[in-house]
Amino acid sequence: SQQGEEDPQALSIQEGENATMNCSYKTSINNLQWYRQNSGRGLVHLILIRSNEREKHSGRLRVTLDTSKKSSSLLITASRAADTASYFCATNGGSNYKLTFGKGTLLTVNP
Amino acid sequence: GAGVSQTPSNKVTEKGKYVELRCDPISGHTALYWYRQSLGQGPEFLIYFQGTGAADDSGLPNDRFFAVRPEGSVSTLKIQRTERGDSAVYLCASSPQTGNTEAFFGQGTRLTVV
Repeated sequence: SQQGEEDPQALSIQEGENATMNCSYKTSINNLQWYRQNSGRGLVHLILIRSNEREKHSGRLRVTLDTSKKSSSLLITASRAADTASYFCATNGGSNYKLTFGKGTLLTVNP
Repeated sequence: GAGVSQTPSNKVTEKGKYVELRCDPISGHTALYWYRQSLGQGPEFLIYFQGTGAADDSGLPNDRFFAVRPEGSVSTLKIQRTERGDSAVYLCASSPQTGNTEAFFGQGTRLTVV
């Protein structure tokens, strides 16, 4: 079963614009992670935010976490055509090892 | 190796056949996971190994699916009597420990059952 739900399902923007993707989940978590996937194959880890953290930055990425609303957002600033990919949020819950993924957001950055 | 290696990258098999998918995790990683991803969906958990033992196989869909990791490194996912509904990308991941750590994914094996 999938816990995270990303919103929107698809997003198309112009190069240089910012992209914001949201994720909602249902149960308590230890951490929430964002992954990127190109062409339906391997996933690449982008950022991990722990349940006691509210915001985290990594390069052009900014992730926020609101545990009271059970939601997270991923912001990609100054997007590039190479950012075109599917982005997934994944929650790590009580089991402390199993990742539960959402269905993903397909981001298209037009040059 | 530098990353998680999965072989084969693509596998086409006939309905009813047996298949084995291999995963070679990052050296030293004790935790190994198998996920399955259908078209348009996110990955779904199948099984988790800590060392040689399957610590959680609750995601395996039925008894046609089995996975082993006999020496605590390479893992093999085995599917018996394949069905067309088994067609998906099978992803393997490893991590140095469980808990607040990222998982490193392989490129996956795309299984097509015809």
